[in-house]
Amino acid sequence: EAEVAQSPRYKITEKSQAVAFWCDPISGHATLYWYRQILGQGPELLVQFQDESVVDDSQLPKDRFSAERLKGVDSTLKIQPAELGDSAMYLCASSFFSGQGKETQYFGPGTRLLVL
Amino acid sequence: QKEVEQNSGPLSVPEGAIASLNCTYSDRVSQSFFWYRQYSGKSPELIMSIYSNGDKEDGRFTAQLNKASQYVSLLIRDSQPSDSATYLCAVNFQGGFKTIFGAGTRLFVKA
Repeated sequence: EAEVAQSPRYKITEKSQAVAFWCDPISGHATLYWYRQILGQGPELLVQFQDESVVDDSQLPKDRFSAERLKGVDSTLKIQPAELGDSAMYLCASSFFSGQGKETQYFGPGTRLLVL
Repeated sequence: QKEVEQNSGPLSVPEGAIASLNCTYSDRVSQSFFWYRQYSGKSPELIMSIYSNGDKEDGRFTAQLNKASQYVSLLIRDSQPSDSATYLCAVNFQGGFKTIFGAGTRLFVKA
């Protein structure tokens, strides 16, 4: 069964350092999402791509976060510099739309980030 | 105001009982509704989707949708200790361009 791949699974870094996360969506899924999930809360959308284009990045802290999906397939999310408050689970999801416009999102295993 | 609301719980039920999880959403154009299960330290796993008013059953799970009341629920019959997890409600607004997740309800099933 096809899955969303993410790496690394765990990352420990010191504040002010740069970190990068990678996501490979399910083959054929044009839409890709990056979410941040803080313990005890639901996933919060950071950025949504449709192919290589950004559809929604209104919640992305653009002073320190960046995301790209250059060829419309895999994607990278970067944080520079990392802050203590960035410690969270970073989830990637991909989705497809059925013939009736219904969308289903599938999540990768996530990257757990700890900033010291 | 949050757009998707869930009781954070924890909800505790004995093994074999029915667990009832509830979710309300704001008055916007909404098409699709999802329930995800998330075990501690793991990513969300899709367990149910529902698109029209009424009930949808899949094994021990039943999703119920009432768009007039802006309410979607998940019933888990014959609850098992392995059902202990956080259940996230997600609502897709505006025809697919915006999915909002609730904060989740923690469920404990006691053996």
